[in-house]
Amino acid sequence: RKEVEQDPGPFNVPEGATVAFNCTYSNSASQSFFWYRQDCRKEPKLLMSVYSSGNEDGRFTAQLNRASQYISLLIRDSKLSDSATYLCVVNSFRYGGATNKLIFGTGTLLAVQP
Amino acid sequence: EPEVTQTPSHQVTQMGQEVILRCVPISNHLYFYWYRQILGQKVEFLVSFYNNEISEKSEIFDDQFSVERPDGSNFTLKIRSTKLEDSAMYFCASREQAGGWQETQYFGPGTRLLVL
Repeated sequence: RKEVEQDPGPFNVPEGATVAFNCTYSNSASQSFFWYRQDCRKEPKLLMSVYSSGNEDGRFTAQLNRASQYISLLIRDSKLSDSATYLCVVNSFRYGGATNKLIFGTGTLLAVQP
Repeated sequence: EPEVTQTPSHQVTQMGQEVILRCVPISNHLYFYWYRQILGQKVEFLVSFYNNEISEKSEIFDDQFSVERPDGSNFTLKIRSTKLEDSAMYFCASREQAGGWQETQYFGPGTRLLVL
């Protein structure tokens, strides 16, 4: 099983649509979770951290289900500028280690159409 | 807002040549990382560095790779003898030492390496 697995893309949606991305992770000891956004040929940029209780930032809502090892991202009222690849990222946990290396999913490409 | 910088933005080299990729992490950050992304593939962890030593490295980070923090600001990745399969985008990242698992890693803009 892949360490971090995401929905295959691409997602083509009209402006104003609501779109959901899903992700599963294999290491039950993982402690922290993130959604990053990556524009074409650019660096990953943190979109939001994902907390156990779920969290919202404007049009973006992230949820975490530790029992199912499942993370989601919901984008409401999508804009043209939301077009990007969305990366599900898990902080790798290692007993005795303090590396905090990030494990990335392959990403899901979102294309918002006018 | 402080940011991670990387130079050069693009590097073209011949197979077998040595390359050094440079990064300037955010000034008060203490943990440093290199990741790479082969075109069309996911971002992969290479190495982490803390307190002037490697704290973890991946299987990709073999004897051809080395990292160094030669002064108080630069963090370098050296590839001794490049192979065609080293062609990728290399990202440097850094984070503060605050001990929290939620600590954010900030990424530089990357160096695109092409090995011919």
